[in-house]
Amino acid sequence: NAGVTQTPKFQVLKTGQSMTLQCAQDMNHEYMSWYRQDPGMGLRLIHYSVGAGITDQGEVPNGYNVSRSTTEDFPLRLLSAAPSQTSVYFCASSYGASGRNEQFFGPGTRLTVL
Amino acid sequence: GEDVEQSLFLSVREGDSSVINCTYTDSSSTYLYWYKQEPGAGLQLLTYIFSNMDMKQDQRLTVLLNKKDKHLSLRIADTQTGDSAIYFCAENNQGGKLIFGQGTELSVKP
Repeated sequence: NAGVTQTPKFQVLKTGQSMTLQCAQDMNHEYMSWYRQDPGMGLRLIHYSVGAGITDQGEVPNGYNVSRSTTEDFPLRLLSAAPSQTSVYFCASSYGASGRNEQFFGPGTRLTVL
Repeated sequence: GEDVEQSLFLSVREGDSSVINCTYTDSSSTYLYWYKQEPGAGLQLLTYIFSNMDMKQDQRLTVLLNKKDKHLSLRIADTQTGDSAIYFCAENNQGGKLIFGQGTELSVKP
């Protein structure tokens, strides 16, 4: 199993550009989520999904869209990038949302918005 | 609201014990976790403790939970340079979402 994969590893955008961060898992996990990591702030939940066709907002959803058309994929879209979205983005997946299900994290995408 | 707090830095000498502390606010959390992040990598689950336990030991790792004070700690015995990383404490809220602390950067000096 490849686990959780994310592409790209690095990306530089100009303010106002759009892009999609890709996330895929091959463990047949129902629960997937996106976090952003900023210095001194830990990880904050952006959006999550409890299964194909179902998504919901996390703590910091503004400026981001998600969709979940398949169990495997959970892309994160930035419609109009802003410098405040400069961050490291992590995708995670688990069998379910309840606490005893370990969340597996991808290696991250480092995004810089100029 | 829910909040998880950690100190940002800890420096120890190789062979010493490291203790990383964490406080949380959501008393309904059923699981509390410790994650490790090595440079340039994602987070990896180190260990977790169920809320009805007060201690869990796993090889060099000991987790202590004080529910009354909402305090969680991770002790690493015989700390090695390979243990240098950022350690995150996290709790799960009632919706199953993880709330992370800021992370403690552990530096192990030879």
